[in-house]
Amino acid sequence: SYELTQPPSVSVSPGQTASITCSGDKLGEKYACWYQQKPGQSPLLVIYQDKKRPSGIPERFSGSNSGNTATLTISGTQAMDEADYYCQAWDSSIVFGGGTKLTVL
Amino acid sequence: QVQLQESGPGLVKPSQTLSLTCTVSGGSISSGGYYWSWIRQHPGKGLEWIGYIYYSGSTYYNPSLKSRVTISVDTSKNQFSLNLSSVTAADTAVYYCARGYGDYERRFDYWGQGTLVTVSS
Repeated sequence: SYELTQPPSVSVSPGQTASITCSGDKLGEKYACWYQQKPGQSPLLVIYQDKKRPSGIPERFSGSNSGNTATLTISGTQAMDEADYYCQAWDSSIVFGGGTKLTVL
Repeated sequence: QVQLQESGPGLVKPSQTLSLTCTVSGGSISSGGYYWSWIRQHPGKGLEWIGYIYYSGSTYYNPSLKSRVTISVDTSKNQFSLNLSSVTAADTAVYYCARGYGDYERRFDYWGQGTLVTVSS
């Protein structure tokens, strides 16, 4: 079965750029999307089709996908961005990555 | 604005069937192009896709759960439902319903608030 691998945690200082990776076999040949989940809340779609932002998602969120790795980038990270982030792809079945806890400190 | 709301028992006994319903408002469940989905999250863990039903009634399930899962739709009530049979403590999780969308992907753009289901005697 298809698997997506994310680092368990990423730390970033306020105002800096955070990058969260998601690895999977030939992931660049599929579309990746990203979700943000804050404690006690439902996941929120922040990036779809590798790099598109849904309405209402700040421009500081961006994405890329090439080769075996998709990347979520948060520029000018703010304290409110502290959350768990999940990547997701579709390969005959829907697969989520294990999640990355982003700490802003 | 589409809204989804899960409902069902918060406690289920081992070996029984977990049954949840998702009520959709702000849009018709019969609208083409959407995949009405169930996703769960074990306590403190990541997200796990359970399955979805297309507006036409076609269903697609996670292979790891396929033998125990049934998803159905009631268009007259604008609801879709999840049945998960022969539950064990490992099925204790927050269960979310969500709307899936996409021709070349399956992204989830609207989610319910989630409902915690505990499997215990």
